[in-house]
Amino acid sequence: GESVGLHLPTLSVQEGDNSIINCAYSNSASDYFIWYKQESGKGPQFIIDIRSNMDKRQGQRVTVLLNKTVKHLSLQIAATQPGDSAVYFCAEIRTYKYIFGTGTRLKVLA
Amino acid sequence: EAQVTQNPRYLITVTGKKLTVTCSQNMNHEYMSWYRQDPGLGLRQIYYSMNVEVTDKGDVPEGYKVSRKEKRNFPLILESPSPNQTSLYFCASSAPGSATDTQYFGPGTRLTVL
Repeated sequence: GESVGLHLPTLSVQEGDNSIINCAYSNSASDYFIWYKQESGKGPQFIIDIRSNMDKRQGQRVTVLLNKTVKHLSLQIAATQPGDSAVYFCAEIRTYKYIFGTGTRLKVLA
Repeated sequence: EAQVTQNPRYLITVTGKKLTVTCSQNMNHEYMSWYRQDPGLGLRQIYYSMNVEVTDKGDVPEGYKVSRKEKRNFPLILESPSPNQTSLYFCASSAPGSATDTQYFGPGTRLTVL
């Protein structure tokens, strides 16, 4: 069936560098996209969201980009910190159904 | 404090023994949902509920039941658990249509079915 996927299962970045986590989705009818962060032993935590009628949204140190032409979503984290180490999921929301990607593990190197 | 609570947090049971995992939220959210999380598969939605007495299937509903008799509670019922239901389960709630309808997740319930 249709699914939301990620290009890389693990991403290692140097502390202070910028991180980019990618996500591909397959259904252009989605209303809404969300990025979540999940730390070990905890439930997913909201980071940032974007509506399907937007291309870009910025938060504190994070930016989400949506390219509907190629059905691609990305999360950019500026000045990556050790506390950013976690698994990141994108989620695609269609009529109140949530479809999550498999996740990317971000490792921040000191 | 706004939160989603789940009980139990850990459960080991045997095949066929009915169990219920409770979920409760104190944010007056209309929308609640259950997910299971398995290695390599991410989170998959089991059931969701738009409001009291309104539930619908997610992507993996087989073997599960839910009920929504009250707004704050959304229990997940496994009538006859099987080993393939061993997983980490998350409950979540949100307020669709609000300015930020993000889902708030509970801490998770780790279920092992022997």
